[in-house]
Amino acid sequence: SQQGEEDPQALSIQEGENATMNCSYKTSINNLQWYRQNSGRGLVHLILIRSNEREKHSGRLRVTLDTSKKSSSLLITASRAADTASYFCATTGRGSTLGRLYFGRGTQLTVWP
Amino acid sequence: SAVISQKPSRDICQRGTSLTIQCQVDSQVTMMFWYRQQPGQSLTLIATANQGSEATYESGFVIDKFPISRPNLTFSTLTVSNMSPEDSSIYLCSVVVNEQFFGPGTRLTVL
Repeated sequence: SQQGEEDPQALSIQEGENATMNCSYKTSINNLQWYRQNSGRGLVHLILIRSNEREKHSGRLRVTLDTSKKSSSLLITASRAADTASYFCATTGRGSTLGRLYFGRGTQLTVWP
Repeated sequence: SAVISQKPSRDICQRGTSLTIQCQVDSQVTMMFWYRQQPGQSLTLIATANQGSEATYESGFVIDKFPISRPNLTFSTLTVSNMSPEDSSIYLCSVVVNEQFFGPGTRLTVL
């Protein structure tokens, strides 16, 4: 299985602090994506990083990818209470059909005002 | 982008019955994907639905339990058959249009 693993499983911080979540996976990938889910609702796509990329930024988000270690990290800077959600990484295996994602367990982020 | 709607948004069903979940996309797509999210868990891919051919199921999922229809390029249904409480989950459909989009999900509770 390619199933990713996130750590920590839960993270609790104050507004304004940075939040870092990590993800590891098991097999070669085409790309890795990060998603946010608020309270068991639909998923929101945050960012995609391809296997030949090492770092990507989008607003307050910074994603890194280390394919040698089969790991990725998501950094949210200057966190806000509205960032409270579950965050999942998801991978697309090399040679796999685009759309077949393997999700990690997720990190529950709580940002206190 | 793609806008996905699902029906029903939630349902409470009795053990042994079946529920059909509908997924409608606002653009034509070759493949639609069905995922399950069990309580407190992550998402797991159930199957890939191609228009005009049988769905492809992931390990652990079978057609008899989760029959899928794909009558055209904008619509798909997933049926959860002979339900048990273990089928209580959120079921989400998904498509890829430049990026991957997910529907709002159908929250199923089986008593």
